Amino acid sequence: HSALTQPASVSGSSGQSITISCTGTSSDVGDNKYVSWYQQHPGKAPKLMIYDVSSRPSGVSNRFSGSKSGNTASLTISGLQAEDEADYFCCSFTSGNSPYVFGTGTTVTVL
Amino acid sequence: EVQLVQSGAEVKRPGEFLRISCKGSEYSFATYWIAWVRQMSGKGLEFMGIIYPGDSDTRYSPSFQGQVTISADKSSNTAYLQWRSLEASDTAMYFCARLSAFAGPVVGNFDSWGQGTLVTVSS
Repeated sequence: HSALTQPASVSGSSGQSITISCTGTSSDVGDNKYVSWYQQHPGKAPKLMIYDVSSRPSGVSNRFSGSKSGNTASLTISGLQAEDEADYFCCSFTSGNSPYVFGTGTTVTVL
Repeated sequence: EVQLVQSGAEVKRPGEFLRISCKGSEYSFATYWIAWVRQMSGKGLEFMGIIYPGDSDTRYSPSFQGQVTISADKSSNTAYLQWRSLEASDTAMYFCARLSAFAGPVVGNFDSWGQGTLVTVSS
């Protein structure tokens, strides 16, 4: 199962909003609600930021939001802050021969 | 608080055997799927496989099927990832992660992660 496609990098000024896309197929992103997003700072373990396409775990800032349209999921970070600088990965359950697939990852830079 | 604690960093030679571990605590270990995820240096996350400790039902990504073995011991709340014969290309950070679905099918999100185990394979 091929990795989901994300832009390699996205940048924005402090306070701005950015959106990261995650494009899959009708066998993964387009097929179910189990799309999630993870934040990873250098040298750290990933952290769940969005689950089930658009739900936020307790403790995650409401500046993070998720959505999906067809085979593409999106993560929006509003009011960008320096602490948001990190790598972000999407992930989807799949109906293919591997139960899960991750995205290629996006590095977010706060200018 | 749910915790997954992984074993320490390993330095091995090509051809050697290795097993790394992931111990869960503060939750019912047997009733949540545990996945293994590879991250090569400077690269993205790769799903390797997932196991249900309650009955050891295991699913692999085709990319890793036959290359590694995932197992679990519910009596000690520990999941394992092992290689029979390491290769230099196995050098990476390996994470375990808990799937959020309680006692259900293998659908959900990875809500807790171990701290990672760095495996270095070099002659």
